[in-house]
Amino acid sequence: QSALTQPASVSGSPGQSITISCTGTSSDVGGYNYVSWYQQHPGKAPKLMIYDVSNRPSGVSNRFSGSKSGNTASLTISGLQAEDEADYYCSSYTSSSSYVFGTGTKVTVL
Amino acid sequence: QITLKESGPTLVKPTQTLTLTCTFSGFSLSTSGVGVGWIRQPPGKALEWLALIYWNDDKRYSPSLKSRLTITKDTSKNQVVLTMTNMDPVDTATYYCAHSTYGDYGYWGQGTLVTVSS
Repeated sequence: QSALTQPASVSGSPGQSITISCTGTSSDVGGYNYVSWYQQHPGKAPKLMIYDVSNRPSGVSNRFSGSKSGNTASLTISGLQAEDEADYYCSSYTSSSSYVFGTGTKVTVL
Repeated sequence: QITLKESGPTLVKPTQTLTLTCTFSGFSLSTSGVGVGWIRQPPGKALEWLALIYWNDDKRYSPSLKSRLTITKDTSKNQVVLTMTNMDPVDTATYYCAHSTYGDYGYWGQGTLVTVSS
């Protein structure tokens, strides 16, 4: 099972919107609506930001939104803030009845 | 309040078997839909999903590591144990356990760094 493909880095200025892509195959992202997104600050455990493609857990800012089209899922952060600077990972259920993470994206707030 | 904590050796030798224990509180692993999973992260690298055990003892493994992994649970002790055989230096990583609701990890332990070196 290969890792899902994410851009290595994405940057934006405060207040702007950015989108992180997560590309898989029809055996994972494209085949199931079980895509999650995690935020990880340096030295910390990951935090669930989006589950089931577009749902936000309680307490997560509505500046974070998720979507999917075909084999690619996306995480959009609107109104970018300094605290959003972190690594972001997508995850998907797979046809092997397992899960796979993405390669990770470093978000920089300029 | 849900908490999880990983425990186990910080240093293992190549070819040895790693045994990690996840001790949790604030939920029961006998509740429908609940699971505990293991995820690792080599220093400076991406997350890698390893295994997941559900409330009904259904077990899922990473296809690439399946032959080396075993996950078990002790509901009475609120613990989940992961064993990984034939450890190699490339297995050096921070190992996390996390509470899962159908594959979504909403609560994570602090992680434990395991170094594989002779």
